[in-house]
Amino acid sequence: DVKVTQSSRYLVKRTGEKVFLECVQDMDHENMFWYRQDPGLGLRLIYFSYDVKMKEKGDIPEGYSVSREKKERFSLILESASTNQTSMYLCASRIRGGFNYGYTFGSGTRLTVV
Amino acid sequence: AQKVTQAQTEISVVEKEDVTLDCVYETRDTTYYLFWYKQPPSGELVFLIRRNSFDEQNEISGRYSWNFQKSTSSFNFTITASQVVDSAVYFCALSLIIQGAQKLVFGQGTRLTINP
Repeated sequence: DVKVTQSSRYLVKRTGEKVFLECVQDMDHENMFWYRQDPGLGLRLIYFSYDVKMKEKGDIPEGYSVSREKKERFSLILESASTNQTSMYLCASRIRGGFNYGYTFGSGTRLTVV
Repeated sequence: AQKVTQAQTEISVVEKEDVTLDCVYETRDTTYYLFWYKQPPSGELVFLIRRNSFDEQNEISGRYSWNFQKSTSSFNFTITASQVVDSAVYFCALSLIIQGAQKLVFGQGTRLTINP
């Protein structure tokens, strides 16, 4: 069964800390994505990656960076966490190809910044 | 603008009622896909259906059905004879090619509660 695994289900961090959210997929997918989910706003794209060592900004990249050193792992980095980054973070992956290839999502990491 | 609107923030019904979740989208593209995902309390988004812009046939899968109408840019989702296990947040999404990569644009989500 294909899987996207996010390393932490819940995280509590202090303002100003550097935070790493990890995502690993076992499907050999080229494309990977980081979304954040907030009530009333749905899911918004932070960053995505076409393939290893590639990254592109999404709709709300400010305050975030990413790393994709290996195909299976896509890390989201909060350089200096702030309270407005308290949210649910969802990672997804998909195979490179046409429109009809679907996304597989992880279970999410609920981050609280205090 | 590329946009998905789910106007219903929350819906609450009694078990066995039918319920329809609305989805309206905007895009200038002629080729696109529409998706519905379910997010149960566990958090993981579960794929329900995918429909391409050239296929306006309605689809039925058990108690679930989808009505795609390009004329009104809508892709509505109906659950017949709802059950408590249908309680979840449901997202409609539009798939586009942006900067050479496919991206999903999500609606705001509809929280559906089925009461016993």
